[in-house]
Amino acid sequence: KNEVEQSPQNLTAQEGEFITINCSYSVGISALHWLQQHPGGGIVSLFMLSSGKKKHGRLIATINIQEKHSSLHITASHPRDSAVYICAVGGSQGNLIFGKGTKLSVKP
Amino acid sequence: DAGVIQSPRHEVTEMGQEVTLRCKPISGHNSLFWYRQTMMRGLELLIYFNNNVPIDDSGMPEDRFSAKMPNASFSTLKIQPSEPRDSAVYFCASSMGQGQTQYFGPGTRLLVL
Repeated sequence: KNEVEQSPQNLTAQEGEFITINCSYSVGISALHWLQQHPGGGIVSLFMLSSGKKKHGRLIATINIQEKHSSLHITASHPRDSAVYICAVGGSQGNLIFGKGTKLSVKP
Repeated sequence: DAGVIQSPRHEVTEMGQEVTLRCKPISGHNSLFWYRQTMMRGLELLIYFNNNVPIDDSGMPEDRFSAKMPNASFSTLKIQPSEPRDSAVYFCASSMGQGQTQYFGPGTRLLVL
């Protein structure tokens, strides 16, 4: 069993839809990261959180430490949100363990 | 700031050749990470440094891989000899400290024929 599980693996949505990507982990962590990988391959860190909720524009990330679960939400999705979203959990030393990613495609 | 800089961006080589990947972290960042991404295995941590010292190299596949960080502004990942299964995208990332947000370089796409 992978230490970091994401679902769904692939997601297709219509522009404007509300999107949720889930991440469950089985190891102790100091922080959870959400990353976005563009079709061109570049990786951008979206959020780093260890409790509660964070919001940046149309993106919201939540984490439940007790349940070892995090969600990434995208409101009013847009085709430019099409990317692979990767959940990663970090240990106290800073090293990351990655999920397999969720490939999101938003159709106009 | 220019962000994390990696070179080369693309590398095509033949099996058995030595490959050296380079990374310049963001100035002032104390932690540096090398990752590898393949279709089969996704992103994997190879090695990371804090203050130029290797902390955990358990992700390095085998002795053919080595990494150095001679100073705070430069790191190399070397593969010698290279094999076709080493073909992947290699990312370098840096952060201000342990457990801080990591900033990724554009990656080096390596193809070993």
